[in-house]
Amino acid sequence: DAGVTQSPTHLIKTRGQQVTLRCSPKSGHDTVSWYQQALGQGPQFIFQYYEEEERQRGNFPDRFSGHQFPNYSSELNVNALLLGDSALYLCASSLDPGSRKETQYFGPGTRLLVL
Amino acid sequence: TQLLEQSPQFLSIQEGENLTVYCNSSSVFSSLQWYRQEPGEGPVLLVTVVTGGEVKKLKRLTFQFGDARKDSSLHITAAQPGDTGLYLCAGATDSWGKFQFGAGTQVVVTP
Repeated sequence: DAGVTQSPTHLIKTRGQQVTLRCSPKSGHDTVSWYQQALGQGPQFIFQYYEEEERQRGNFPDRFSGHQFPNYSSELNVNALLLGDSALYLCASSLDPGSRKETQYFGPGTRLLVL
Repeated sequence: TQLLEQSPQFLSIQEGENLTVYCNSSSVFSSLQWYRQEPGEGPVLLVTVVTGGEVKKLKRLTFQFGDARKDSSLHITAAQPGDTGLYLCAGATDSWGKFQFGAGTQVVVTP
């Protein structure tokens, strides 16, 4: 049973560029959440996708956008990269979002460095 | 800004000692989770608590959810070097799984 997978593992970009990160959820999961984790901080919620729609969003600018595909995989897109976007980007998948017994499973993350 | 405050930020202890880390907030959570994260990896879920006053035990780890569902603690008995890691708490304020994380407590257990 494959867990959550993310690609690429590492990425280096320059300011102003655009980046796309990918996530495949754990088998059977239909909800994908994206988080940004800066060095020395806890993960910050970016947004959550369910049934191919963005359902919840954290305090991130519109430069951060996403997509969920019919097979539940997801992409995170960041436009006009800033130095401050350098972070570990984590994807988490879950099942049964309407239950209080929410269980998220995280992928290993994509480490993005913006120069 | 972290909605959840974790303390202490850093804890270094010897193998065999006990430790407790805390997670506090002014918000009420529908559920709260504890994770351990190792360098270069994603957080790994340890436990989910949903009921105020709930206590869960996972081998040497004991988790408690406050009666008002605003705070939680993690106690480790007889710590081992394998317990080293960043311990994160995360609370959900609704049923749709939008989690707010604390900044974490870095625990180092030396042999």
